[in-house]
Amino acid sequence: QKEVEQNSGPLSVPEGAIASLNCTYSDRVSQSFFWYRQYSGKSPELIMSIYSNGDKEDGRFTAQLNKASQYVSLLIRDSQPSDSATYLCAVNEGGSTLGRLYFGRGTQLTVWP
Amino acid sequence: DAGVTQSPTHLIKTRGQHVTLRCSPISGHKSVSWYQQVLGQGPQFIFQYYEKEERGRGNFPDRFSARQFPNYSSELNVNALLLGDSALYLCASSFTNTEAFFGQGTRLTVV
Repeated sequence: QKEVEQNSGPLSVPEGAIASLNCTYSDRVSQSFFWYRQYSGKSPELIMSIYSNGDKEDGRFTAQLNKASQYVSLLIRDSQPSDSATYLCAVNEGGSTLGRLYFGRGTQLTVWP
Repeated sequence: DAGVTQSPTHLIKTRGQHVTLRCSPISGHKSVSWYQQVLGQGPQFIFQYYEKEERGRGNFPDRFSARQFPNYSSELNVNALLLGDSALYLCASSFTNTEAFFGQGTRLTVV
């Protein structure tokens, strides 16, 4: 059974701070990694994808991947109350070309004004 | 461009009944996957279809079935509904193994 573990949370940060979300995965051959944001009662929204070791930045979001440590993280800079949501880490099935995803349970983030 | 569309958005069914959920993928996307998300958990993979063929099945009972049509839309069928089938059912559309985009989901309540 492939596992994706996220820091349990909930995580609470003040507005303007950096929020750090972490994820580890068990499948050593996974190649694609994703972060989804899910507002309460809504469906997941893709916010970041990363495929290579290192950092990938998109606006206030930075995804970091370390395949040797089987670790992926998401940093949110200058956090805003609108960032308050559950963040889901997703990992593709290693060896698959068609993208079956394994998800963590999510980390609930609250950004307070 | 239209995103992934699912119907219906909400549904209430009685135990033992059958339900059909529908999904239309993003134009040009040939892969459709179905996920079940119960409260407090991440989505769990149910099925994946690509070019109208089943390419993957998760750990769900045979009461769950799906199919994909020539226009790449898809249906998820669940027979003999149980209370535990109450969940948010998500359809994801992708172009081969690139990013998966979710529809708004169908909230199924079994009473």
